[in-house]
Amino acid sequence: QQQVKQSPQSLIVQKGGISIINCAYENTAFDYFPWYQQFPGKGPALLIAIRPDVSEKKEGRFTISFNKSAKQFSLHIMDSQPGDSATYFCAASIGGTYKYIFGTGTRLKVLA
Amino acid sequence: ETGVTQTPRHLVMGMTNKKSLKCEQHLGHNAMYWYKQSAKKPLELMFVYSLEERVENNSVPSRFSPECPNSSHLFLHLHTLQPEDSALYLCASSQDGLAGVYEQFFGPGTRLTVL
Repeated sequence: QQQVKQSPQSLIVQKGGISIINCAYENTAFDYFPWYQQFPGKGPALLIAIRPDVSEKKEGRFTISFNKSAKQFSLHIMDSQPGDSATYFCAASIGGTYKYIFGTGTRLKVLA
Repeated sequence: ETGVTQTPRHLVMGMTNKKSLKCEQHLGHNAMYWYKQSAKKPLELMFVYSLEERVENNSVPSRFSPECPNSSHLFLHLHTLQPEDSALYLCASSQDGLAGVYEQFFGPGTRLTVL
């Protein structure tokens, strides 16, 4: 029940396309859902985060869609660029606590 | 230096060695973390220190020993490791507050190889 399931494991998208990464959770007590981006040789960095009181949050080309009833949330990268090539992790936590439950990661490659 | 720094960036050690990983955060945060990152696995939270007190120890083997001498520094002491301990070890920090803990800032990690 503490798992966050992330898919796909890897994704290849053409430049200008839309990249979509999905995550699903079981624990309805989760109330903070961040996405982290990790480039090779670097630590993960917060990209965007959402709380379950909204269904969508957009920051530039990055959008989180949240479906509370389905217990799913997804990251959409519009107009994907080669510079977006990285590994993306979804996570969930309860009450903003330090206990993040991370997904297994999605390796995104955007072709030029 | 800015953000969260980790040294060394790469470490190769034998199973009988003793080594230490160092983490320093320059963000004025009051909580620090050690994570283990293995291929195709979720990040595993190992230890959490808040206000220099250990608040979490996720059933980590005793061959890993953390130390937090102050709110800016965190160490992970390693001894008699196993080959399966080879992984990327990430340090992170955050600001604890009454409203909760949100963004965690990660260092670049130490790539550990145990022979």
